[in-house]
Amino acid sequence: DAKTTQPTSMDCAEGRAANLPCNHSTISGNEYVYWYRQIHSQGPQYIIHGLKNNETNEMASLIITEDRKSSTLILPHATLRDTAVYYCIVRVKAAGNKLTFGGGTRVLVKP
Amino acid sequence: GAVVSQHPSWVICKSGTSVKIECRSLDFQATTMFWYRQFPKQSLMLMATSNEGSKATYEQGVEKDKFLINHASLTLSTLTVTSAHPEDSSFYICSADSLYVSGNTIYFGEGSWLTVV
Repeated sequence: DAKTTQPTSMDCAEGRAANLPCNHSTISGNEYVYWYRQIHSQGPQYIIHGLKNNETNEMASLIITEDRKSSTLILPHATLRDTAVYYCIVRVKAAGNKLTFGGGTRVLVKP
Repeated sequence: GAVVSQHPSWVICKSGTSVKIECRSLDFQATTMFWYRQFPKQSLMLMATSNEGSKATYEQGVEKDKFLINHASLTLSTLTVTSAHPEDSSFYICSADSLYVSGNTIYFGEGSWLTVV
C-alpha cells in the first residue's frame, strides 16, 4: 500500500470547518483513499473513502485532487467531540486487504 | 456500519499467565480479521491477519507462538497472549472485513486494554 503524509497536529475552532490534508503521491490506480479517526482509548472509527470523485456522507466530505496525489477531509462544523487522531490510508478495496496506519493528524477542536 | 465487538474491554493479569481476547462480528460474517496493538501515543501496528479456517499470517517481528490467533468461525476470532510479560501491556484492537459485505470497508472493535503486572 502507498504511504501517506499528514501534518502531525492541527487546531480548529468549534463550529468552523476543519480541513485535514493528506498527501499520497505514490498512490496506485486501484487504491482508494480511506479516512478513519481514533478518539482517545477507543478503536478507530470509519469516516469515509473514495477513489477519484469527491464523496460526502453524514460525517464528512472527501475532496480528492484530479491527479489523486492528495486529498482533503472536511469536517463541515467541528464540535468538541471531533477531537481525535485522524488517519488517512490508501488501500486496494478488496476483501482481506489490510489497513496500514501512519502517524495521523492529532486534531484539537477548541471552544 | 457493521459492528465489531471485543471482550474484555480491559484485563489485568499476572506475569507469566496467558490471557485471551475475543473479537466478534455481530451483524456480518467476517471472512478476515486483523489484530493490531497500540502503545501509548503511537499509531496502530498490525500484528496479524487471519482468514476464517486458516492459519494467521503474522507481520514481521511478531512472535506467532506468543500471540496465538484463532479464527474458527465467521463471527469470532481470538487473540491469546501467552506467558504475558509487562512489556506486552498494550491496547489490542481487532478489525473485520468480509467477502459478503459490499464496499469492503473494515470496521474496528472498541479495543482491549491489557495490563500485565
